[in-house]
Amino acid sequence: AQSVTQLDSHVSVSEGTPVLLRCNYSSSYSPSLFWYVQHPNKGLQLLLKYTSAATLVKGINGFEAEFKKSETSFHLTKPSAHMSDAAEYFCSTGTASKLTFGTGTRLQVTL
Amino acid sequence: DTGVSQNPRHKITKRGQNVTFRCDPISEHNRLYWYRQTLGQGPEFLTYFQNEAQLEKSRLLSDRFSAERPKGSFSTLEIQRTEQGDSAMYLCASSFPRNTEAFFGQGTRLTVV
Repeated sequence: AQSVTQLDSHVSVSEGTPVLLRCNYSSSYSPSLFWYVQHPNKGLQLLLKYTSAATLVKGINGFEAEFKKSETSFHLTKPSAHMSDAAEYFCSTGTASKLTFGTGTRLQVTL
Repeated sequence: DTGVSQNPRHKITKRGQNVTFRCDPISEHNRLYWYRQTLGQGPEFLTYFQNEAQLEKSRLLSDRFSAERPKGSFSTLEIQRTEQGDSAMYLCASSFPRNTEAFFGQGTRLTVV
């Protein structure tokens, strides 16, 4: 079975500093991996996805993620945090019929 | 607005009552999914449809839950005899077939008192 583990439940950064949200995956084959963002009282929005093409995936709003098979990781990064990035972030894996989500990482951005 | 639409946005109900939620997917999408999200957790898969056919159901979907998509367009999720443990955000998503990119609605937050 495919699964993902988000290593931090809460991350706090200062505005303008880099963001790193960590996700490890477990899969017996090459997985599809995703990062979603959820702002308060909003639905999930897809940031980026990896589907066995380039290992460095660029998403919306300046976010990137790198697929590292040797480390079974798919960490989400952004060079410079903005106040509007404060939200809940979910790593997920799955197929076209079903996604499995991690427990989420709440990103706090301070002035 | 051409996104996934869910109604109502919020629902408060007394324990034991029945509730029904509606989801209108993106019109070109023939796959529709229901997920449940409890506080502090990620969304959990409940079920999905391809057109009007319900192709998979999670074991989370007890016999009190039923989902329909009668004409392959909108879908309803009904919970009978609600329990406090049913309190959660119910999310709907849609996609093209065999496309892993699912688009989510804003969800229906259910509170059972």
